[in-house]
Amino acid sequence: ETGVTQTPRHLVMGMTNKKSLKCEQHLGHNAMYWYKQSAKKPLELMFVYSLEERVENNSVPSRFSPECPNSSHLFLHLHTLQPEDSALYLCASSRRTDTQYFGPGTRLTVL
Amino acid sequence: GQQVMQIPQYQHVQEGEDFTTYCNSSTTLSNIQWYKQRPGGHPVFLIQLVKSGEVKKQKRLTFQFGEAKKNSSLHITATQTTDVGTYFCAALNTGFQKLVFGTGTRLLVSP
Repeated sequence: ETGVTQTPRHLVMGMTNKKSLKCEQHLGHNAMYWYKQSAKKPLELMFVYSLEERVENNSVPSRFSPECPNSSHLFLHLHTLQPEDSALYLCASSRRTDTQYFGPGTRLTVL
Repeated sequence: GQQVMQIPQYQHVQEGEDFTTYCNSSTTLSNIQWYKQRPGGHPVFLIQLVKSGEVKKQKRLTFQFGEAKKNSSLHITATQTTDVGTYFCAALNTGFQKLVFGTGTRLLVSP
């Protein structure tokens, strides 16, 4: 499946680093999402963008900063993360309330 | 907020045995979706149920939506090793165009 791509697939960063995760969808969808998936918790919705406007920020710490420059691209900027932020970060897209299509995820490790 | 619980959290079966996971919501759902996530993979959409009491089948998988639209189930007949993974139900929150994912049921199938 190449409908939703994410880069990088793996990322190791120190707590003082700044990095960005990228998501791109080629499905013509108008909504994009960031999820966090860790071993101890189910899928946690972080942000929702609809038509390039952020419509949901699920009490996410400010060290995570999303950006949606257009309907096909979504970024998650990371800075001064904590070890407990280590997780699989999944991007998804959909047509409004339709099925969500997930990218392969970025496995993030914070040292 | 809306919560979606799944039971069991984990089940280990012998190949050929049946398997069922249950999804329960505290509120009436407009629809429910099911996703499967293989180990090391990302969630992949399986099916959507909309009508009260609806039953849908995909080969050995049977999906059911409760009459009160507060619960759903996924039943796998004669499991195979390829069924291994985590199965998530997800309820649509139409107000915010987002899915609320259940806690997931991890299935392990031994040959």
